[in-house]
Amino acid sequence: GAGVSQSPSNKVTEKGKDVELRCDPISGHTALYWYRQSLGQGLEFLIYFQGNSAPDKSGLPSDRFSAERTGGSVSTLTIQRTQQEDSAVYLCASSLGGGLAGETQYFGPGTRLLVL
Amino acid sequence: GQNIDQPTEMTATEGAIVQINCTYQTSGFNGLFWYQQHAGEAPTFLSYNVLDGLEEKGRFSSFLSRSKGYSYLLLKELQMKDSASYLCAVRDRTGGYNKLIFGAGTRLAVHP
Repeated sequence: GAGVSQSPSNKVTEKGKDVELRCDPISGHTALYWYRQSLGQGLEFLIYFQGNSAPDKSGLPSDRFSAERTGGSVSTLTIQRTQQEDSAVYLCASSLGGGLAGETQYFGPGTRLLVL
Repeated sequence: GQNIDQPTEMTATEGAIVQINCTYQTSGFNGLFWYQQHAGEAPTFLSYNVLDGLEEKGRFSSFLSRSKGYSYLLLKELQMKDSASYLCAVRDRTGGYNKLIFGAGTRLAVHP
């Protein structure tokens, strides 16, 4: 597609429920990133996929968070047993993934998650 | 570890010039990015520096000093639409990955 797309755009859930957030990267981009942004805060790195390499999961805040990327394209971020502190905007970005120094990340519109 | 600092808020007048500073500490520096983020929207790419010096792009310029761990974003001829958050991000290749570490952002308010 023309840009990074994410779904749903908004998600309201009850504490303790599981949620799945989806990201469709720009066609041809081999690198995909998930970030979290709490209200008025900067972006917190969560996880990074690069081609078929093992993902960099160093930013995942707890084992309730997991992500997968199927077929090197679409990615799903899953949050199990959601807590109120999980409420945030979850942003996905993609880049060409060639490892060039100036490689730019392009962001999707985000999913606004509210845990009641 | 990594640490990125930038001012929380700044205000400026339409038509003026504003400089937003960013200092960073990282072990695997591989470039510095500036992004603009309007309220409720996704960040959009503004500029990139990997070598020392000034990169100019229209009304926006970005400077980098690797030895000082310092960058700034310079916005000239400010317009009301420039009111946004400006995010400084460092590319870190520690562990073989090239991820971006973001600062908390600087909220710029441009007044008439």
